[in-house]
Amino acid sequence: DTAVSQTPKYLVTQMGNDKSIKCEQNLGHDTMYWYKQDSKKFLKIMFSYNNKELIINETVPNRFSPKSPDKAHLNLHINSLELGDSAVYFCASSQDHARTAFFGQGTRLTVV
Amino acid sequence: SQQGEEDPQALSIQEGENATMNCSYKTSINNLQWYRQNSGRGLVHLILIRSNEREKHSGRLRVTLDTSKKSSSLLITASRAADTASYFCATASNNAGNMLTFGGGTRLMVKP
Repeated sequence: DTAVSQTPKYLVTQMGNDKSIKCEQNLGHDTMYWYKQDSKKFLKIMFSYNNKELIINETVPNRFSPKSPDKAHLNLHINSLELGDSAVYFCASSQDHARTAFFGQGTRLTVV
Repeated sequence: SQQGEEDPQALSIQEGENATMNCSYKTSINNLQWYRQNSGRGLVHLILIRSNEREKHSGRLRVTLDTSKKSSSLLITASRAADTASYFCATASNNAGNMLTFGGGTRLMVKP
């Protein structure tokens, strides 16, 4: 009955690889997000997406791209992984912007 | 720079004591939210306070908002060891497309 689920929970990969993290929400929310949490626990918004618009944080490299096959899914694709991409990535959803966000459990990405 | 910045960064108290965490932000907001993150888990919403509200209560939690000082505080009364976690404030602001912007968090340790 998980509200926001993301897979995998752990991902270890080599530099230069391309990887994806999947996210699904069963709350019927209109908006989904991807956040990156670094080693100092700072949470940075990467993307916000609903049926109408994609808002991209301008500091996110274009190696990162969100893909939404439908309203309940927002997957994160990362090309040409770099060491600095190592972090915990959180998917979240909300009914609309500025409302309460529901978070997934996070995906710990380690690039070696 | 972070829209919300928590103070202190870390707080250690004894069970039964009160814990106060502060959050400052820079731009005008629609609402401010507090979240809790247990180690290795996703964030969980605690409480939301709108920009036209000054104080809100939820169980042992009390949140205040001072828009003139652009600051908020979270008070946890009669703390328990299970309150040990990181606490984040998040602001919803028109300047950021109404997306939630998180601060760096306060790491609270409650000793039994």
